[in-house]
Amino acid sequence: DAGITQSPRHKVTETGTPVTLRCHQTENHRYMYWYRQDPGHGLRLIHYSYGVKDTDKGEVSDGYSVSRSKTEDFLLTLESATSSQTSVYFCAISPASYEQYFGPGTRLTVT
Amino acid sequence: RKEVEQDPGPFNVPEGATVAFNCTYSNSASQSFFWYRQDCRKEPKLLMSVYSSGNEDGRFTAQLNRASQYISLLIRDSKLSDSATYLCVVNDMVLGNEKLTFGTGTRLTIIP
Repeated sequence: DAGITQSPRHKVTETGTPVTLRCHQTENHRYMYWYRQDPGHGLRLIHYSYGVKDTDKGEVSDGYSVSRSKTEDFLLTLESATSSQTSVYFCAISPASYEQYFGPGTRLTVT
Repeated sequence: RKEVEQDPGPFNVPEGATVAFNCTYSNSASQSFFWYRQDCRKEPKLLMSVYSSGNEDGRFTAQLNRASQYISLLIRDSKLSDSATYLCVVNDMVLGNEKLTFGTGTRLTIIP
């Protein structure tokens, strides 16, 4: 299995609070991704990174920001959590932006 | 039209049977294709890549038809452990970076 972890694995937070999710890899892969998965929508890309300090938006980036200050860590921040951001969040890594390997996911509930 | 479309199922299939899923994609310039498997409350895992000539991995066979823009997955001699959701995934180049687009998945249950 790819060396990829996510923390926390579960979180319940209140509307309006900031939340940061962490993705950590030990594979030294260049590409890292954040997705959310909701029933009926499949996996949707939030943001991705193609190197340290190099990030770009995905299709559902509103309300989210990311940072990558080290190769191994990719942080996803919900600036002010809303109930519509209740979801399962997956981080993925890739050596060359095609085959991707996923972390175990974070279940986030915004009340 | 969705970029990647799959029949959501569920497919309920007896153990030992053969089952096939199809997936269609809208972008004729799509470059590479994959099947992922996702167990309940787990992360997606790469099952196999799909090559133009078709490819086989044990009981699993993947086919690509570029002219009709569809991808198929065939599972022979199905096992209880094959019960999962199967995600069709297409890789496109967007602004110089490659981007994966996921189907919503086809749910398969193998019945003893």
